[in-house]
Amino acid sequence: EVQLVQSGAEVKKPGESLRISCKGSGYSFTSYWIIWVRQMPGKGLEWMGRIDPDDSHTNYSPSSQGHVTISADKSVTTVYLQWSSLKASDTGIYFCARRGRTSSSPTDYWGQGTLVTVSS
Amino acid sequence: DIQMTQSPSSLSASVGDRVTITCRASQNINNFLSWYQQKPGEAPKVLMYAASSLQSGVPSRFSGSGSGTDFTLTISSLQPEDFATYHCQQSYSIPYSFGQGTKLEIK
Repeated sequence: EVQLVQSGAEVKKPGESLRISCKGSGYSFTSYWIIWVRQMPGKGLEWMGRIDPDDSHTNYSPSSQGHVTISADKSVTTVYLQWSSLKASDTGIYFCARRGRTSSSPTDYWGQGTLVTVSS
Repeated sequence: DIQMTQSPSSLSASVGDRVTITCRASQNINNFLSWYQQKPGEAPKVLMYAASSLQSGVPSRFSGSGSGTDFTLTISSLQPEDFATYHCQQSYSIPYSFGQGTKLEIK
């Protein structure tokens, strides 16, 4: 069974660092991209970036570039999303999801989401 | 970046109704368009990909069409479990942007 299991909810202060995780299982981990999607409270979905776990090649949205880092550790089939300095505006639910490498591939499995709250 | 615009933003309908949601891209995206359903407190679930391909396990009352810049998601006969928010997403070019969502509510 394909599963993406994310780390638990976090409460942080502005300026703090954070790393959240997404562990894949039940499939060939290096055969699919992992993407990260943010959902701010009561809002729509925002594509943040993606990683190819096979070679760790990444792409970011303009709004995420330079503010977050996506990385992967194939040995533990886990992808990470990290911040070095959180802002209050980073508050939201973060989803990881799996998709194939071609443009026509579906994003077919999603993690359960990680709630990140940044507040002083 | 490609902008995706959904309409309407919200919609009230009754069980059994036929419903259509529209998604427009700011430039040609061929058929690289997916639709997702999201219920409160849950992750999105893919319904359609490549504009008109039904994801495995999704009921056949869902269908998608379109190419280029204009796309539609149709639910042929609304069921109680279909009341949710629907999102479109392009996968033509990175960043793979989403529409703002359409909330489908019970009339």
